[in-house]
Amino acid sequence: DAGVIQSPRHEVTEMGQEVTLRCKPISGHNSLFWYRQTMMRGLELLIYFNNNVPIDDSGMPEDRFSAKMPNASFSTLKIQPSEPRDSAVYFCASSLGGVSGNTIYFGEGSWLTVV
Amino acid sequence: AQSVSQHNHHVILSEAASLELGCNYSYGGTVNLFWYVQYPGQHLQLLLKYFSGDPLVKGIKGFEAEFIKSKFSFNLRKPSVQWSDTAEYFCAVNPPNQGGKLIFGQGTELSVKP
Repeated sequence: DAGVIQSPRHEVTEMGQEVTLRCKPISGHNSLFWYRQTMMRGLELLIYFNNNVPIDDSGMPEDRFSAKMPNASFSTLKIQPSEPRDSAVYFCASSLGGVSGNTIYFGEGSWLTVV
Repeated sequence: AQSVSQHNHHVILSEAASLELGCNYSYGGTVNLFWYVQYPGQHLQLLLKYFSGDPLVKGIKGFEAEFIKSKFSFNLRKPSVQWSDTAEYFCAVNPPNQGGKLIFGQGTELSVKP
């Protein structure tokens, strides 16, 4: 059974460029989460969707960040324009059910470096 | 502010030593609790979880955790660590009335010396 699939695994980009990270949740899961991990701030929830609808985007740092989930099997996180402080590992995760008490499964992460 | 706190940033142990990693949270009401492990360069994997019932939860790889409601704690334990347990460990809380989202602690890096 395939897990959460993210792409790209690694990306190095120049400041000012647009970055798009992609995620395919586990089939049948209806909640999707985007997390960011940095040394300074640890794991932060950026946004999560339930049944393709954004439920909580309070963790999105600023307008440069946007996330979409056009269907149940695909989501994107876009940064435009990117800045060096956006360098981090971005994890996508999914779970079955949007309510409490469900295990969240993580993808392998997208390692972003903005130079 | 409501939060999840892990007391130790870095723990260094020798093989066969016992492990206990602290986790406290500040959310009231009914919470769901998790421990995740992240091996170097890898993604987070679930070690164990507590939703209800027996407060002593057993997970994979010989790990267990005890939920003590009165102390708002969910400490992770293992009687005898191995070199392969070297990783970062994250406590996470699913607060009440916040859907399925998890709030993570800052993580504890565990280094086990062979």
